[in-house]
Amino acid sequence: DQQVKQNSPSLSVQEGRISILNCDYTNSMFDYFLWYKKYPAEGPTFLISISSIKDKNEDGRFTVFLNKSAKHLSLHIVPSQPGDSAVYFCAAREGFKTIFGAGTRLFVKA
Amino acid sequence: KAGVTQTPRYLIKTRGQQVTLSCSPISGHRSVSWYQQTPGQGLQFLFEYFSETQRNKGNFPGRFSGRQFSNSRSEMNVSTLELGDSALYLCASSPMGRGDTEAFFGQGTRLTVV
Repeated sequence: DQQVKQNSPSLSVQEGRISILNCDYTNSMFDYFLWYKKYPAEGPTFLISISSIKDKNEDGRFTVFLNKSAKHLSLHIVPSQPGDSAVYFCAAREGFKTIFGAGTRLFVKA
Repeated sequence: KAGVTQTPRYLIKTRGQQVTLSCSPISGHRSVSWYQQTPGQGLQFLFEYFSETQRNKGNFPGRFSGRQFSNSRSEMNVSTLELGDSALYLCASSPMGRGDTEAFFGQGTRLTVV
């Protein structure tokens, strides 16, 4: 029972362009959503979060959009840089439990 | 401020054996969560501890267990190891373990069962 789904295993984008990573969820009780980035041989690091009562949160080049009616969120990275190449995990929190998606591997080509 | 420390980094065990992994959270963090990462499955939630109490548990068999000590350090134990238990085990700490507070991850323990 995958409550958090990232349907695109990988995404390739040209440097300077926009990267859009998508995430769908099924549990309407999730109260916070988070994005993490993971490089090989390292643990995931936090990027940005959004409360379920908001529809947008922005932090520098990273913006997260939440569409509650569609149970969908997305992470926009503008402009994309080669150093952004990593695996991105979408996560959703209900109380003390955080559920992660399977991840999307982003390749940013120079 | 020291980060989350997981030991050991790498481990090779034989089927049927048991293993204990350790996680030292960031100082002051009272919540510790454990995750299993396998290719294509993302991070699967194992359990979360806060002040020595397990507050939540994922859908893993009883062979997977954990505990938390009074200094917030946590251990995870897997008994009767199976080949499918081979994975990267990650622990994450946060001050309270809820809300929008981010969790900080360790580098993980890579367990290989042969």
